[in-house]
Amino acid sequence: DTEVTQTPKHLVMGMTNKKSLKCEQHMGHRAMYWYKQKAKKPPELMFVYSYEKLSINESVPSRFSPECPNSSLLNLHLHALQPEDSALYLCASSQQGTQYTEAFFGQGTRLTVV
Amino acid sequence: KQEVTQIPAALSVPEGENLVLNCSFTDSAIYNLQWFRQDPGKGLTSLLLIQSSQREQTSGRLNASLDKSSGRSTLYIAASQPGDSATYLCAVKKAGKSTFGDGTTLTVKP
Repeated sequence: DTEVTQTPKHLVMGMTNKKSLKCEQHMGHRAMYWYKQKAKKPPELMFVYSYEKLSINESVPSRFSPECPNSSLLNLHLHALQPEDSALYLCASSQQGTQYTEAFFGQGTRLTVV
Repeated sequence: KQEVTQIPAALSVPEGENLVLNCSFTDSAIYNLQWFRQDPGKGLTSLLLIQSSQREQTSGRLNASLDKSSGRSTLYIAASQPGDSATYLCAVKKAGKSTFGDGTTLTVKP
């Protein structure tokens, strides 16, 4: 099983809403990532979790709040977003601590902020 | 700061042609380089991973090479098919972070 599952696939939310994106993997990977991808642009790293601890935060605004409740799950909590936050949000996972760290990506959540 | 460049930005070829996509990076101290495919509105599918100590990797009709000292990688696609039409992204990894190029959008015409 080399699958990373993201839910929901699509999400429309208002600027005052609170919502969460979810990501799950069962490959035993201990590194998990959130990326943001705008149209026709490459993915941009947001957060990295290593062994369920936040190891990298790429200066992401606090309206995005990541959470890693266990080694298989990664959440991204959203609050008071702006229309410019509309994008494809991608989750990825990889092994940790070895040079062979192939990253596996989910299919993404298409977020629209209205 | 690592910068990754992919040339060309777009490529259109007739079915059956062999083609090469290019990726260059500025900081050669990388852990690995990974090639991905992305269909419109979808996630990324891993194609090939080359570790920093390796020179090339092959999978089916795909062959990726890495010249770390010169900061270059190529993805060779043999006998292209319309189903190969997608955006191809390279990503270099260092210290737990991956940096992506802008991608090459490939169109293979029947």
